[in-house]
Amino acid sequence: DIQMTQSPSSLSASAGDRVTITCQASQDINNHLNWYQQKPGKAPKLLIYDASNLETGVPSRFSGSGSGTDFTFTISSLQPEEIATYYCQQYHDLPFTFGPGTKVDIK
Amino acid sequence: QVQLVESGGGVVQPRRSLRLSCAASGFTFSLYGMHWVRQAPGKGLEWVAVTWYDGSKEYYADSVKGRFTVSRDNSKNTLYLQMNSLRAEDTAVYFCARDAMRGPPNTEGMAGSDYWGLGTLVTVSS
Repeated sequence: DIQMTQSPSSLSASAGDRVTITCQASQDINNHLNWYQQKPGKAPKLLIYDASNLETGVPSRFSGSGSGTDFTFTISSLQPEEIATYYCQQYHDLPFTFGPGTKVDIK
Repeated sequence: QVQLVESGGGVVQPRRSLRLSCAASGFTFSLYGMHWVRQAPGKGLEWVAVTWYDGSKEYYADSVKGRFTVSRDNSKNTLYLQMNSLRAEDTAVYFCARDAMRGPPNTEGMAGSDYWGLGTLVTVSS
């Protein structure tokens, strides 16, 4: 199975700050990576697919990059409503494994 | 609009069985692969199982293989998860989710989930 790691596991940032999360796969997954946002008590929401493509309706302050084994997710200007846990997920091969998540809160 | 509504969760004793359902609407159910994903209390997301759009294939996480069975009834727009021999570590919120169907050839187009239900809580406890 492909293992996914994320860092940091949590972070605190001020509103308006740039936030960056990294995700690493245990083997080459090309660009077959999703990023999800999950707010407390809610279902996950798909933000980015194919490592860098924004899902329809997602604000452009969210972005993703990377290919192979190393990926980055960025919020260019953190908004208070974006307090959530963010997960990467590979879909290069089954089982479709998730990263452990990065919890983002406001300083 | 796409809607997925899970049901069937509850409290169940260890080693017993439970069947979850997921009612789909707002899209052509028979054209999409469907997933189950779970989340233990205070923990991260764990992918559980997937069924192909026509029910011809399934794939399971090692943690549930041999105990859980995913199935679907395309005439009823409903996805199921039969859970047998339940363990305390199966306690979680179970989400059904639609596959985005834009993945690579080696996964036959499967690409993770673009729409999710709200989840149903399963608690395994004596």
